[in-house]
Amino acid sequence: EAQVTQNPRYLITVTGKKLTVTCSQNMNHEYMSWYRQDPGLGLRQIYYSMNVEVTDKGDVPEGYKVSRKEKRNFPLILESPSPNQTSLYFCASSVGTVFPITDTQYFGPGTRLTVL
Amino acid sequence: AQSVTQLDSHVSVSEGTPVLLRCNYSSSYSPSLFWYVQHPNKGLQLLLKYTSAATLVKGINGFEAEFKKSETSFHLTKPSAHMSDAAEYFCVVSDGSSNTGKLIFGQGTTLQVKP
Repeated sequence: EAQVTQNPRYLITVTGKKLTVTCSQNMNHEYMSWYRQDPGLGLRQIYYSMNVEVTDKGDVPEGYKVSRKEKRNFPLILESPSPNQTSLYFCASSVGTVFPITDTQYFGPGTRLTVL
Repeated sequence: AQSVTQLDSHVSVSEGTPVLLRCNYSSSYSPSLFWYVQHPNKGLQLLLKYTSAATLVKGINGFEAEFKKSETSFHLTKPSAHMSDAAEYFCVVSDGSSNTGKLIFGQGTTLQVKP
């Protein structure tokens, strides 16, 4: 089944404790992206990747890191989480990388992160 | 710079009546525009998209949207609401003016459908 998976689905942590949220897709998509969803703000793009070893900042990259060493995986790293990073996080992928983006984004189920 | 404004944070309709969810965008070039839907506690799903072909776009579940360049709008409509349409809807823009893979989401519109 074609899908985007995220792990963990729920995470409660404390300020400053490094964490990684994994994202994997099995559709051989080139484009992958991370978003955070906060009430009243919609989804905001954190980072995106157009292909392996190619990443770029979205609108809210501060406090986050990403890597794209393999096509299928796009982990989100919070090196020193803070309470303002408490949010619902979504990973997404799509086929190609023409501009503007025209392909359908396929979203993962979300990861609810709480930073105490 | 590209931006998206969803003009209503909350829309309430009765079942069987028309739905209108409004979206205005700002883009310096020919954009791609999308509507996504998010049902409670679920991920997002594509409803429809405009990618410079026909300006009236039909999507899933009877939804459609019209791209109006002169009004910089991409409003989502449905002739008759169903209870299962209750969800949050997001308008999204991708700007082709620069080589960027950025996607900009609106703040979302919550659709309530009353019996």
